[in-house]
Amino acid sequence: GENVEQHPSTLSVQEGDSAVIKCTYSDSASNYFPWYKQELGKGPQLIIDIRSNVGEKKDQRIAVTLNKTAKHFSLHITETQPEDSAVYFCAASTSNQFYFGTGTSLTVIP
Amino acid sequence: SQTIHQWPATLVQPVGSPLSLECTVEGTSNPNLYWYRQAAGRGLQLLFYSVGIGQISSEVPQNLSASRPQDRQFILSSKKLLLSDSGFYLCAWSVKLGNTIYFGEGSWLTVV
Repeated sequence: GENVEQHPSTLSVQEGDSAVIKCTYSDSASNYFPWYKQELGKGPQLIIDIRSNVGEKKDQRIAVTLNKTAKHFSLHITETQPEDSAVYFCAASTSNQFYFGTGTSLTVIP
Repeated sequence: SQTIHQWPATLVQPVGSPLSLECTVEGTSNPNLYWYRQAAGRGLQLLFYSVGIGQISSEVPQNLSASRPQDRQFILSSKKLLLSDSGFYLCAWSVKLGNTIYFGEGSWLTVV
């Protein structure tokens, strides 16, 4: 089955700096890669996603890149703000299965 | 638009007591439904998923069970809770397997 690895497990950045979270996957059949943000005590919320026919997608301060050949994808957050502090999960999906990474705890220091 | 509700939001139960967490989805028909658990506030562990009424797949053997009595209702149960059942339980849904999963707000369970 699919194996999704996520790094780093914790990340601290100064407010205004950029944050990058990276994930790798093993199953070449994976074709959908969403990212979730989970605030303390709440359920994860979808923040951005990308499909295998696209190399990059951007939504305001967040962007996701996908390298199908290398089987890795990344989340980029620019101009970080304290409200970006949360746990972020990547995921990889085939046509019938969904696999989550282990999460990255991001802290933005004011 | 679709919404997902789960309750109760928090629950403190003694060891050996029963458990019932409920989840309903509105605004969609025949969703795939899921129960996840988070221990230590991090990883998402898939416990059960259902592709239709009465159809339950278990991913992890344990003393929990799930039922889907109606199309948009998913229930997580236990006859006798263990201390190790403590955690954050998340109900979720998707249009079909492999599609975007949408989570509820979660239920905190503390077994004492």
